[in-house]
Amino acid sequence: DAGVTQSPTHLIKTRGQHVTLRCSPISGHKSVSWYQQVLGQGPQFIFQYYEKEERGRGNFPDRFSARQFPNYSSELNVNALLLGDSALYLCASSFRVPYNEQFFGPGTRLTVL
Amino acid sequence: GIQVEQSPPDLILQEGANSTLRCNFSDSVNNLQWFHQNPWGQLINLFYIPSGTKQNGRLSATTVATERYSLLYISSSQTTDSGVYFCAVERSGGAGSYQLTFGKGTKLSVIP
Repeated sequence: DAGVTQSPTHLIKTRGQHVTLRCSPISGHKSVSWYQQVLGQGPQFIFQYYEKEERGRGNFPDRFSARQFPNYSSELNVNALLLGDSALYLCASSFRVPYNEQFFGPGTRLTVL
Repeated sequence: GIQVEQSPPDLILQEGANSTLRCNFSDSVNNLQWFHQNPWGQLINLFYIPSGTKQNGRLSATTVATERYSLLYISSSQTTDSGVYFCAVERSGGAGSYQLTFGKGTKLSVIP
């Protein structure tokens, strides 16, 4: 079975632009979470969706938004990009929440110039 | 919010040596996971271990939830074990969210 997939793998943008990152969960999984990982740190929670509803949001500005589609795939959108948004963006899926193991995709590496 | 502390931050081992990585957390949690992050950034699931002991080949993990810590044991280390090991705990973030909170990781380098 396929694991969590993310696209694109790498992305280069300039300050002020907008970006959309995509994630497909493991088949049968209904929850998707997004994390941001900057160099040298552990991943930080951005959003969690379960059954297409937002379940939680981390400490990120309103420039960050996300949604989950009927097929449980998800998009993360970031507006008005800043240099500090350069990071590895990770998507995780689980069958349900809570008390379920989360599985991560390979990530999208975003560079903002 | 909950604090997750991992130690040591860096570890250099000779191939074949054993090691113990520690994860302390500041409050009760729903579950705990250990991950290995490879040089390309992929987080690989090692253990889902809210309590008790599990073993998988040369790796084993123990979580003592009542004392708020977990240990990851690596025996007979190999160069392919190199990378960053993360501990992550799940706890309610309010409003029905159950996010993982990660420690800063232990960077392991295994030299031949």
